[in-house]
Amino acid sequence: KNEVEQSPQNLTAQEGEFITINCSYSVGISALHWLQQHPGGGIVSLFMLSSGKKKHGRLIATINIQEKHSSLHITASHPRDSAVYICAVRIVGGNEKLTFGTGTRLTIIP
Amino acid sequence: SQTIHQWPATLVQPVGSPLSLECTVEGTSNPNLYWYRQAAGRGLQLLFYSVGIGQISSEVPQNLSASRPQDRQFILSSKKLLLSDSGFYLCAWSYSKYEQYFGPGTRLTVT
Repeated sequence: KNEVEQSPQNLTAQEGEFITINCSYSVGISALHWLQQHPGGGIVSLFMLSSGKKKHGRLIATINIQEKHSSLHITASHPRDSAVYICAVRIVGGNEKLTFGTGTRLTIIP
Repeated sequence: SQTIHQWPATLVQPVGSPLSLECTVEGTSNPNLYWYRQAAGRGLQLLFYSVGIGQISSEVPQNLSASRPQDRQFILSSKKLLLSDSGFYLCAWSYSKYEQYFGPGTRLTVT
């Protein structure tokens, strides 16, 4: 079983819909990252959080440390949000390395 | 501001040939540096990380090696490539306990 699980693996939605991507982990962590990978392969860091909630534009990330669960929400989704969204955790005692989920492929249809 | 460069962007190499991928970071000093690989249809896998010049930690035993000859330079090498080395290679940097910033990546195809 992977230490980091994401769901769904694939998600297709209409433009304007509210999107939720989930990440669950089974280990103690010091931080959780949400990354965005565009079709060309480049990766952008969206959020790093260790508690609570962060918001940037139409993106919101939340984390529940007790439940070992994080969600990434996109409000008013747009075709340019189409990408693979990756959850990664920094494991306590694991130095600085990240352990990654396998990603959620999001497609927003105009 | 900090920038991270990788080259080449794409590479096609025959099995058994050597490999050298380079990553450099600008606008920062003493960063943590990372090499990741993403095989087709799979998630990111950490290959190596470095917290300083000459300090390399290997995560996955394989025919790849890494070196950090200068503070902001990280090199991924192989003496003899295997078909299974094909993938998308990403370099990243961070300051300790902060976000990681990824380079544009190198797409390697071993034929």
